[in-house]
Amino acid sequence: EIVLTQSPGTLSLSPGERATLSCRASQSVYSSYLAWYQQKPGQAPRLLIYGTSSRATGIPDRFSGSGSGADFTLTISRLEPEDFAVYYCQQYGSPPWTFGQGTKVEIK
Amino acid sequence: QVQLVQSGAEVKKPGSSVKVSCKASGGTFSSYSINWVRQAPGQGPEWMGDISPMFGVANYAQKFQGRVTITADVSASTAYLELSSLRSDDTAVYFCARDYAVKAPYFAHWGQGTLVTVSS
Repeated sequence: EIVLTQSPGTLSLSPGERATLSCRASQSVYSSYLAWYQQKPGQAPRLLIYGTSSRATGIPDRFSGSGSGADFTLTISRLEPEDFAVYYCQQYGSPPWTFGQGTKVEIK
Repeated sequence: QVQLVQSGAEVKKPGSSVKVSCKASGGTFSSYSINWVRQAPGQGPEWMGDISPMFGVANYAQKFQGRVTITADVSASTAYLELSSLRSDDTAVYFCARDYAVKAPYFAHWGQGTLVTVSS
């Protein structure tokens, strides 16, 4: 199975700053089938990005995804107060679908 | 809009089984696979398996093979997860999630989660 490793584990930033989150796969992700989710305490994950770079319905354009092969990035261009949360990547190119362990974006 | 509503929290003894339900409303239940994803405290999500309600075919992550059964009742628009031989490390929140589209196993629609606690 494909193991996804996210870095850093925690990102301490201020509102208005840029956040860059990394997701590295143990092997190439078929067709760049990579998604990103945001999760807040006590809630289900929220889909942000699919297919590496396509935003899900209703997701603001400050969220963008990029990458290919085994290296992927989620960028939040200017952090808003509601963006402080945990972010997970998920690959769905090869079963079983797997998730990373998460990056926590916290207020500095 | 699509809504997934799960059954309530469960407390189980080690070695027993648990069955969690996920009732869908909005959309066409039989058209999209329903997935089960669990999340242990402080951990990332973990995909357990899915089912195509239309065909009644389930797929399971190898880790859970032999212990998990996923079923669906199309007439009730409800999917079920049954996990047997429970251990303490099965303590987690269990979510159902619907495929975004046909053969698109990323998840915009999630249930609210069901906490399963395994403790003697």
